[in-house]
Amino acid sequence: DVKVTQSSRYLVKRTGEKVFLECVQDMDHENMFWYRQDPGLGLRLIYFSYDVKMKEKGDIPEGYSVSREKKERFSLILESASTNQTSMYLCASGGPTSYEQYFGPGTRLTVT
Amino acid sequence: AQSVTQLDSQVPVFEEAPVELRCNYSSSVSVYLFWYVQYPNQGLQLLLKYLSGSTLVESINGFEAEFNKSQTSFHLRKPSVHISDTAEYFCAVMKGGSEKLVFGKGTKLTVNP
Repeated sequence: DVKVTQSSRYLVKRTGEKVFLECVQDMDHENMFWYRQDPGLGLRLIYFSYDVKMKEKGDIPEGYSVSREKKERFSLILESASTNQTSMYLCASGGPTSYEQYFGPGTRLTVT
Repeated sequence: AQSVTQLDSQVPVFEEAPVELRCNYSSSVSVYLFWYVQYPNQGLQLLLKYLSGSTLVESINGFEAEFNKSQTSFHLRKPSVHISDTAEYFCAVMKGGSEKLVFGKGTKLTVNP
């Protein structure tokens, strides 16, 4: 079974803190994704990585950065957390031709 | 840019009733279409996908979806729902040649006894 794990299920941070969300996949997938899920808005792509050290902005990259130093790990970084970044964050991975993305359980981040 | 419209944000039904969750996408030369399901407090799981071939695709738990190119639709149906089908369902489209999915806003299906 493909497994995508995220470092925390729930996280509470203060405004201005630097926040790291970690994602690890065990299927040797080239592609990894970070989404943000908000009620009534569905999933929106923040960043996408198609190889180690390679990244591409998604639809809502402002206020976020990413790091992919190893193939299996993709980190989302909030440089200075703000209350409008309170959300559910979902990581996914996928192969280049499978067309299917496998999702982690999500991290519910609250910024106070 | 590609877009996906899920026409109903919430669909309440009684157990054993049929259900249809509607999905329309903006036209493109070639697209791949997906339905994902999210059970409470879980990540998303692929329910079914259309890549090519037969326009009717089925899942292992009784859902089916039909790709209709002329109407740019990919509606999800089940003839008889169970309580355990209560979840949020997301329609998604991938443009040919892209690795990225564009999701609809989701439809919450609630199956009542």
